[in-house]
Amino acid sequence: EPEVTQTPSHQVTQMGQEVILRCVPISNHLYFYWYRQILGQKVEFLVSFYNNEISEKSEIFDDQFSVERPDGSNFTLKIRSTKLEDSAMYFCASRRENSPLHFGNGTRLTVT
Amino acid sequence: DQQVKQNSPSLSVQEGRISILNCDYTNSMFDYFLWYKKYPAEGPTFLISISSIKDKNEDGRFTVFLNKSAKHLSLHIVPSQPGDSAVYFCAASGRNAGNMLTFGGGTRLMVKP
Repeated sequence: EPEVTQTPSHQVTQMGQEVILRCVPISNHLYFYWYRQILGQKVEFLVSFYNNEISEKSEIFDDQFSVERPDGSNFTLKIRSTKLEDSAMYFCASRRENSPLHFGNGTRLTVT
Repeated sequence: DQQVKQNSPSLSVQEGRISILNCDYTNSMFDYFLWYKKYPAEGPTFLISISSIKDKNEDGRFTVFLNKSAKHLSLHIVPSQPGDSAVYFCAASGRNAGNMLTFGGGTRLMVKP
């Protein structure tokens, strides 16, 4: 069964550094998402992406965040200058039209 | 943000018995509800969903019930199996399945052999 793939599984970075989280959505999916879960808290929506542009974003998704689909298969989340509070599990998800989200296994980001 | 709440952080059930997981929501604009299961070190896995035009949806051992007037939904698992032990998240969205999901805090289900 096809799945959403995320790399790396764990990323450690220093405060202030840029980090790029990578995702390969399921190949025939058209809608792409990033969610995050801070330890002990809820899974929170960050951004949705369709037709090469952001369709929705949350308050969390400020100017430090950006997303890109650089080619036909990858979908990336960049954090320009990481803060301690960015430490979380970041989940990529994708879906077809009118179907539920399929999530990847996440990237654990640790900012020190 | 408490638009979707799962009031029970954990639930323990004997194998073979019914597991009932509950979820409450406050936003009247939600019209699509989903349950996801999550194992440690994995992402959420879709289980079952229900549209607001229905009050019940069944898929094998899993049934979701929706009470719109009470803004309450529940997931029934019967019979429960040890492999069902995981964290279960309720999620809701507006207009259609594509809009952003708002998640509950999760309920950890433990099914004892």
